[in-house]
Amino acid sequence: DAGVTQSPTHLIKTRGQQVTLRCSPKSGHDTVSWYQQALGQGPQFIFQYYEEEERQRGNFPDRFSGHQFPNYSSELNVNALLLGDSALYLCASSLGLAANYGYTFGSGTRLTVV
Amino acid sequence: AQSVTQPDIHITVSEGASLELRCNYSYGATPYLFWYVQSPGQGLQLLLKYFSGDTLVQGIKGFEAEFKRSQSSFNLRKPSVHWSDAAEYFCAVGGQNTDKLIFGTGTRLQVFP
Repeated sequence: DAGVTQSPTHLIKTRGQQVTLRCSPKSGHDTVSWYQQALGQGPQFIFQYYEEEERQRGNFPDRFSGHQFPNYSSELNVNALLLGDSALYLCASSLGLAANYGYTFGSGTRLTVV
Repeated sequence: AQSVTQPDIHITVSEGASLELRCNYSYGATPYLFWYVQSPGQGLQLLLKYFSGDTLVQGIKGFEAEFKRSQSSFNLRKPSVHWSDAAEYFCAVGGQNTDKLIFGTGTRLQVFP
């Protein structure tokens, strides 16, 4: 039974560019949440997708957007990249909303902005 | 404001020694509390969680944590540390009707033989 799969594993982008990160949830899960983990920091909640809609959002600018597909996979898009967007981006899947945090985390995508 | 404080950035212990990692939280509603572990290049693995009931919770890998409401704390303990416990440990808080977790900045654990 596959866990959460994230791609790519590592990515280097230039300031001002756009990036798309992908996440396939654990089999049987239908909800995807995204977290940003800057170096030396704890993860910060970006947003959550359920039934192809954004359900909750953290304190992130509109440059951060997402999408969820009918097969429950999800994309995180970041526009106009800044150096400060360099971080590990973690995807977490779960079943349903407010389901007592039954998260399964992926290993993350390491984004470096130069 | 909702926040989690892990006052120890880095802790070093000898293998076989006991361990306590500190966590204090601030949360406006009834807190749900968690400890996660992260090894290099890996995602987060849940060690244990507290929602309600018995304030001493047991987790995986021999870890336990105690919820103390009066102190707004949820410290993680292990009686005898193994070299494989070396990792980054994160305390987190959440609540009912939300899936948003608020994490602390983490404590890096080093274990010497």
